[in-house]
Amino acid sequence: DTAVSQTPKYLVTQMGNDKSIKCEQNLGHDTMYWYKQDSKKFLKIMFSYNNKELIINETVPNRFSPKSPDKAHLNLHINSLELGDSAVYFCASSQNPGGGGYTFGSGTRLTVV
Amino acid sequence: GENVEQHPSTLSVQEGDSAVIKCTYSDSASNYFPWYKQELGKGPQLIIDIRSNVGEKKDQRIAVTLNKTAKHFSLHITETQPEDSAVYFCAASDGQAGTALIFGKGTTLSVSS
Repeated sequence: DTAVSQTPKYLVTQMGNDKSIKCEQNLGHDTMYWYKQDSKKFLKIMFSYNNKELIINETVPNRFSPKSPDKAHLNLHINSLELGDSAVYFCASSQNPGGGGYTFGSGTRLTVV
Repeated sequence: GENVEQHPSTLSVQEGDSAVIKCTYSDSASNYFPWYKQELGKGPQLIIDIRSNVGEKKDQRIAVTLNKTAKHFSLHITETQPEDSAVYFCAASDGQAGTALIFGKGTTLSVSS
C-alpha cells in the first residue's frame, strides 16, 4: 500500500487551463505539504496543512489554491496555468508540523504548453 | 528565514570509494537535519537524519556528522555502489509549527563500476 499517493503522475495541459493534483496519505500523519521541484531539482515549500488547517503559505501566486478536506488528503488546484508552472510537484506528510521525517509521494510532472 | 547551502553540486566516484557531501545552514534555531535520496522519476526518500543534541549518527554505510558551532553537517557514504547513484538533498528545520524543511540544492552522485 502506497504511503503517500499522488494523482495524476503526468499532466500535460495548455496555457490558461485550470488543473488539480490530488494527494492522499495513509500513514495517519497530521501534517501535509506541497513542494515544487524546478528543472534544476530545487525543492521549494509551497503550502502546509496541519489537521486541515493551513499553517504555511509561502510566496506563491494566488492562482495556486490548496484544499484539505480531511487530514489524509491535500489537493492542489491551479488556475490559469502559465509556462513557468511547469515543474514536478511533490506532496509529503509528517507526523508533526515543523519537523520529523517527511514521507514524499512520487510526484506529479506538470507540463504547460 | 533558513538558508541551506550544499556542496558539491555533482560528485563522481569509483565503486568502493567514499563520498562526502557537505551542507551549511544559517538559522541557529535549526535542530533537525535529514538527508534524502532521490532516484530518477521518484520522490525524495529519507535515508538518515540527525538532531542537534547528537554529533554523529551511523547506519551501515551511511553516516552523518553535525557541527552546531560551525552550522555545518555532512553525509558520508562508504564503500559506494552503483545503486548509490542518485541526487542527495540535505535539509534543515527548527521543528516549530508553521515552518517546513528547507532543502539544499542537491548533489548528483554518480558511482561508476
